[in-house]
Amino acid sequence: QKEVEQNSGPLSVPEGAIASLNCTYSDRGSQSFFWYRQYSGKSPELIMFIYSNGDKEDGRFTAQLNKASQYVSLLIRDSQPSDSATYLCAVRGNYGQNFVFGPGTRLSVLP
Amino acid sequence: DTGVSQDPRHKITKRGQNVTFRCDPISEHNRLYWYRQTLGQGPEFLTYFQNEAQLEKSRLLSDRFSAERPKGSFSTLEIQRTEQGDSAMYLCASSPPGGFGYTFGSGTRLTVV
Repeated sequence: QKEVEQNSGPLSVPEGAIASLNCTYSDRGSQSFFWYRQYSGKSPELIMFIYSNGDKEDGRFTAQLNKASQYVSLLIRDSQPSDSATYLCAVRGNYGQNFVFGPGTRLSVLP
Repeated sequence: DTGVSQDPRHKITKRGQNVTFRCDPISEHNRLYWYRQTLGQGPEFLTYFQNEAQLEKSRLLSDRFSAERPKGSFSTLEIQRTEQGDSAMYLCASSPPGGFGYTFGSGTRLTVV
């Protein structure tokens, strides 16, 4: 069983719509959760992180965490074509400093 | 400071050759990480340094792989006797003390032919 799972997509949404990206993880001891955006051929860049149950908002982005369900999501409001990228979910456990990344979900925002 | 710097950007090597990559982290970041990413997959953790100490090492890091960070600043990742399966993007990242997220470098794309 993969430790961090994401739907590989592609997820296509029209410009201006809300894009919803989902991630599940297997380690109940996981403490912090991160979303990275990766444009084709580029390195990942951090969008936001969350470590408490509930919602965390940053501009057009909202991260949602439900530790009981082992589920974390990222909502992108007012999606723009420039949001078209692969979104990586990353999870950090109780011990150690490394992340476990999911395979990423490819998002395509259609103008 | 312009972020995490990796060199070279691209490397093509013949199978069986040794290669070495360099990473220069953001200067005030004491933590440095190496990841490997293949097409369509998320980055996979290889190893982690805090200052000059290598504190974590993945099972993925076979005996052919070695990483160093001798003075707690830049780091090198060496792959000996390269195999075609080593072809990937090798990403370096750094973070400050107590920092949550990483800053990734642009990566070194290795192609073994």
